[in-house]
Amino acid sequence: KQEVTQIPAALSVPEGENLVLNCSFTDSAIYNLQWFRQDPGKGLTSLLLIQSSQREQTSGRLNASLDKSSGRSTLYIAASQPGDSATYLCAVRPDNQGGKLIFGQGTELSVKP
Amino acid sequence: NAGVTQTPKFQVLKTGQSMTLQCAQDMNHEYMSWYRQDPGMGLRLIHYSVGAGITDQGEVPNGYNVSRSTTEDFPLRLLSAAPSQTSVYFCASSYSAGLYAFFGQGTRLTVV
Repeated sequence: KQEVTQIPAALSVPEGENLVLNCSFTDSAIYNLQWFRQDPGKGLTSLLLIQSSQREQTSGRLNASLDKSSGRSTLYIAASQPGDSATYLCAVRPDNQGGKLIFGQGTELSVKP
Repeated sequence: NAGVTQTPKFQVLKTGQSMTLQCAQDMNHEYMSWYRQDPGMGLRLIHYSVGAGITDQGEVPNGYNVSRSTTEDFPLRLLSAAPSQTSVYFCASSYSAGLYAFFGQGTRLTVV
């Protein structure tokens, strides 16, 4: 059974710091991995999608990497800002079960001015 | 485009009542799914569909029914509400397995 874990559960950093959020999964048979952002009381916003054949994706100050063989992904946020404060979730699509997304529990990020 | 629209946004039910949570998307997406989000549990898959007329169970399907008669709509039915079904429910859609998933704004359900 695929399990997705995110560490740490919560993170507080001063503004301007570069930071890394971690996501690990137990079964390497994935179609892709997606990172989401969730603001309190809101829905999920897609940030980055990495296909299983890719190593990384970048969007602005965000960079996501994928090491499928070791079951790990990281989300790197450069020069963090208070507006980055939110919960970040990763989710994998299992191979041959494309209708599913399996989520980690999220990392709650707080960026202090 | 409206994207993924969920209704209602808030609902309070009494134990034993039934109701339907609505989800509609206007992006012609084949894949649709329902999740529930509970504190400390992340999002868990309830049911999903890979096209009209095709549905399957996720991780926590008990107490919920779905049907997919059209590409646009994927309603979630609570048969007999229980306090354990108090949660925030999210509907999601994507064009295919290889593309981004889009989420609705959620329905906050309280069962008393």
